Amino acid sequence: GALVYQYPRRTICKSGTSMRMECQAVGFQATSVAWYRQSPQKTFELIALSTVNSAIKYEQNFTQEKFPISHPNLSFSSMTVLNAYLEDRGLYLCGARLGSQNTLYFGAGTRLSVL
Amino acid sequence: GQQVQQSPSSLVLQEGENAELQCNFSSTATQLQWFYQSPGGSLVSLLSNPSGTKHTGRLTSTTVTKERRSSLHISSSQTTDSGTYLCAPRTNTGKLTFGDGTVLTVKP
Repeated sequence: GALVYQYPRRTICKSGTSMRMECQAVGFQATSVAWYRQSPQKTFELIALSTVNSAIKYEQNFTQEKFPISHPNLSFSSMTVLNAYLEDRGLYLCGARLGSQNTLYFGAGTRLSVL
Repeated sequence: GQQVQQSPSSLVLQEGENAELQCNFSSTATQLQWFYQSPGGSLVSLLSNPSGTKHTGRLTSTTVTKERRSSLHISSSQTTDSGTYLCAPRTNTGKLTFGDGTVLTVKP
């Protein structure tokens, strides 16, 4: 079946430093990859959607300058949280869409703590 | 933008009882996914159901597209079903919008 692997599962960084997280689609090619964040006590918010042959589209309140995303091929994406502060804490999920299917498959997430 | 309302916000059941979770959304959706979030945070896709009724195991999802609502029925609940259930309609731009979820607790 379709699997999405995220690394690392948990990470801690000092306030003001940056942290990179990775997302790998295993066994399939992802035509689009979406990055979401779940802040403490909140539901998931879309950060950005990256679709093959299209520019990465960031949601309001999220910018490329703060959350640069790399999507070099159909099975890998990475996102960096630059200059992380307390409000960036949370669970970051990567969802990958298989081909023309409408279903997003999510990885287990990267949980970011900021000291 | 899309607004998603889930009810109830929390539900406590005895093992063996059935659960009915509701999801209402404000804008047209091309897809409707139900997810389970474990206490550890991992998100698992349960059902994708843009319209009609779909079954998998003890789960049944019914989506009425025109009325912008979906329900998830869990039959014969088990303690391992405890966790948060999230509804997420998807627009034709590919964006999933998540509801706040229903926190289910199943007691032995």
